[in-house]
Amino acid sequence: KQEVTQIPAALSVPEGENLVLNCSFTDSAIYNLQWFRQDPGKGLTSLLLIQSSQREQTSGRLNASLDKSSGRSTLYIAASQPGDSATYLCAVGGATNKLIFGTGTLLAVQP
Amino acid sequence: DTGVSQNPRHKITKRGQNVTFRCDPISEHNRLYWYRQTLGQGPEFLTYFQNEAQLEKSRLLSDRFSAERPKGSFSTLEIQRTEQGDSAMYLCASSRLGDASYEQYFGPGTRLTVT
Repeated sequence: KQEVTQIPAALSVPEGENLVLNCSFTDSAIYNLQWFRQDPGKGLTSLLLIQSSQREQTSGRLNASLDKSSGRSTLYIAASQPGDSATYLCAVGGATNKLIFGTGTLLAVQP
Repeated sequence: DTGVSQNPRHKITKRGQNVTFRCDPISEHNRLYWYRQTLGQGPEFLTYFQNEAQLEKSRLLSDRFSAERPKGSFSTLEIQRTEQGDSAMYLCASSRLGDASYEQYFGPGTRLTVT
C-alpha cells in the first residue's frame, strides 16, 4: 500500500530565504508526482507535475525533483515571499492515476 | 480558476439529513475523481469515473455514499443519513485520458458541516 510522508510538518522562514520541502513515498511504481499549494479553506492549486520518466520540473521560483528509486521528491522554493505562505501537498499517481497525498507542510514566510 | 466547478461551496446540514454535491469537470476531460479532506490531513481518494463508468471505489465510501456521472459530464456525490464524521471538504478533480502527464485539475471544493 502506497504511503506518502512529508517533512517537515510545519516550517517558518524569514522572507528571502531559499527553502526545501521533502516528500517520500514507499512504492516506487508511480506514474507521476504532483506538488500542490492549498490556501486555508480553499481547493488545491497544481504547482508542478513530474512524470515518472522525468527527474525535475521548474516553474519560476519553484523547482521539483524526483528520485523514483529512492522514493523521494523535493520542492525547492527560491527567494521566498510572504505570499508563498500556504500548505504544500505532495501526491503520487499510480496506474489508475488516483492520487495518494501526504499530510502537507504548512509554510509561513515572515515579512 | 482551473475550470472545474463545484456546487455548493458550503453546506451546513443536520445529522441524519441527505446532501448532494455537484462537480462540473473541464469539458474535454473524461476522468473525474472525488476526494475527501479532513482538517489537517491530505485529501483521500473516494472514487473515480472514466466517462460514465465508475471504475474504482475506496473502502472509505460506505453504503451511505453514492456517486454518479450519468452522461459522462457532470458528477454528483450524495451522502445519505449524514453523520458528524462526514464533516469535511469534498474535492473533485478531472483529467484527460490520453494526456501523457495524467495531470489532475481540482475544483474549489464543497465544505460540509454536519451539526
